[in-house]
Formats: sequence, structure tokens, C-alpha cells
Amino acid sequence: QKEVEQNSGPLSVPEGAIASLNCTYSDRGSQSFFWYRQYSGKSPELIMSIYSNGDKEDGRFTAQLNKASQYVSLLIRDSQPSDSATYLCAVNVEQFYFGTGTSLTVIP
Amino acid sequence: EAQVTQNPRYLITVTGKKLTVTCSQNMNHEYMSWYRQDPGLGLRQIYYSMNVEVTDKGDVPEGYKVSRKEKRNFPLILESPSPNQTSLYFCASSLYRRGLEETQYFGPGTRLLVL
Repeated sequence: QKEVEQNSGPLSVPEGAIASLNCTYSDRGSQSFFWYRQYSGKSPELIMSIYSNGDKEDGRFTAQLNKASQYVSLLIRDSQPSDSATYLCAVNVEQFYFGTGTSLTVIP
Repeated sequence: EAQVTQNPRYLITVTGKKLTVTCSQNMNHEYMSWYRQDPGLGLRQIYYSMNVEVTDKGDVPEGYKVSRKEKRNFPLILESPSPNQTSLYFCASSLYRRGLEETQYFGPGTRLLVL
């Protein structure tokens, strides 16, 4: 059973729209949740971390965590073509587990 | 500049020829780890280390070795590489494994092809 599940996509949104990325995890003991962005051939870079239920906002990005539903999401407002990348959800439970990533394309 | 470095960035080798991929961080991080990334499988942890002389297996440790003799370095060793180890490898580090400052910072990646 996979620890972290994401829709692989691809997800396409027009420029300026809101992109919504979703992630579910299996271990209820998970305490720490992360969203990474990865451009093709590059290393993952951290966008957001979230530890408590609710929303956490940073610029155009909002992470949402619902521990009861074992669900974490990332909203990208005013999507830009430069946001086109693969987004990785990660959970830390004794060790780090990553989802397979969701490919996002923002269409100009 | 705070960073994680890996060498080499690209490597082509043949089955059975021992190789080492180096990883170094200059952030005084305690926690270091190695991942491999394969299409459709995402990032999978190979080994991790919580401090000097402390290493533990991740999800896919078979065929790999690591050592942590110094805090800053965490080399990945393939004693007898096989074609199924062809992959993109990332080293990562963080201040701690759990709790505050556990965010991982990734190296640039090493693309390995085993013929």
C-alpha cells in the first residue's frame, strides 16, 4: 500500500486560474507534510510545509491539511506558465515518503 | 552559499564496476538521505543517516551501501551495479529528521546509466 497518493495528471489550467493539487496519505501518525516543485531534470525544491490542520498561505500558494481525512492539498492562485512543473507531496513518518507527483501545465 | 553538492552529475558505467557517488552539504545538517527517482515510481528513499556513524535502510536499500564518517559527507556506493539501478539519484539533507527544521534540501541529482 502506497504511503502517499497523488493524481499523476496531467493537470492543465489557463494562465490566471487556480490550480488545485491533491494528496492523500495512509499513516495517521504523520505529523509533517510538504509540497515540492520539480522542473524536468531538476531537483525538487520546497514550496510549502504544513504541520497543523487548516490553511497555510505563502504568496500565491496555499496548503490545506485535514488530518481526519488524511488529506493535504496545494492551491496555486493566479497560475503562471512558470508554475508548469511536477508537484510532489511528501509526508514524514519515521522517514520521508513522496508521492509520484502531479504534472501541472499552465497554458498562456 | 548553502547547498548540497553531488558528484558526478552524469555517469555511464558497466555492470559490476564499483562506483561511488559523493554527496556533501555545508549547512551543518545532521540528517542526510539518498533517493532514487524513476518514472511512475516517484522518489524512493534508499538510505538515510541521522548523524555521524548512524545509518538506516530506507525503502529500496538492496544493492547500495552508504557511510557517514563525517557530518558533511554521505557517499552512496554501488558495489556491483546492475542495469536496474539505472536511475536519477538525489542526495538530501535537513537539520533534523523530525520536528522543526526538518525540511529537506536536495542536491542537483546524479543521472546514472548502467549498461
